Amino acid sequence: DTEVTQTPKHLVMGMTNKKSLKCEQHMGHRAMYWYKQKAKKPPELMFVYSYEKLSINESVPSRFSPECPNSSLLNLHLHALQPEDSALYLCASRRVLGRLGNTEAFFGQGTRLTVV
Amino acid sequence: TQLLEQSPQFLSIQEGENLTVYCNSSSVFSSLQWYRQEPGEGPVLLVTVVTGGEVKKLKRLTFQFGDARKDSSLHITAAQPGDTGLYLCAGVRPGNQFYFGTGTSLTVIP
Repeated sequence: DTEVTQTPKHLVMGMTNKKSLKCEQHMGHRAMYWYKQKAKKPPELMFVYSYEKLSINESVPSRFSPECPNSSLLNLHLHALQPEDSALYLCASRRVLGRLGNTEAFFGQGTRLTVV
Repeated sequence: TQLLEQSPQFLSIQEGENLTVYCNSSSVFSSLQWYRQEPGEGPVLLVTVVTGGEVKKLKRLTFQFGDARKDSSLHITAAQPGDTGLYLCAGVRPGNQFYFGTGTSLTVIP
């Protein structure tokens, strides 16, 4: 099972709404990621969780708030977003291979977010 | 500044042609991955290259890791419309940072 499940698949929200994106994996991966992707651009790293602790925040605005309740779940809480935050939000988890720490990341299908 | 630069950025070719996509960096990576992404979907892992000079083949796709582990290439033979998509290389930096290259958007015209 190499599945990363993201819900919802599509989300439309107003600028005053509060919503959450969810990500789940049962592969035992201990690194989980949130990315933001605009059309025809590569995914941009937002947050990294290692062993359920936030290890990297790529200067993301505070209107995005990540949470890792346990090793299988990753949430992204959204509040007071702007229209320019509309994008595909991708979750990924990573497996470490071998003593060199070589890695592969597996991605969910993403949540298509539209802020109106 | 992007750690991983891909070229070309856009590529439109006829079915049956061959093509090569490059992924270059000034940094050394312990491994590089290649992904393909279709519109509205998440990236799908194609291959991981680990050893400098390594070559891996996946049907009509050939992946190579540079000897110094700073660059990689993807060669597609006899491209088909189903190969259309965004091709992304990716590498890991210390602290579990997992970064993508700038991407190559490939269109194969029937």
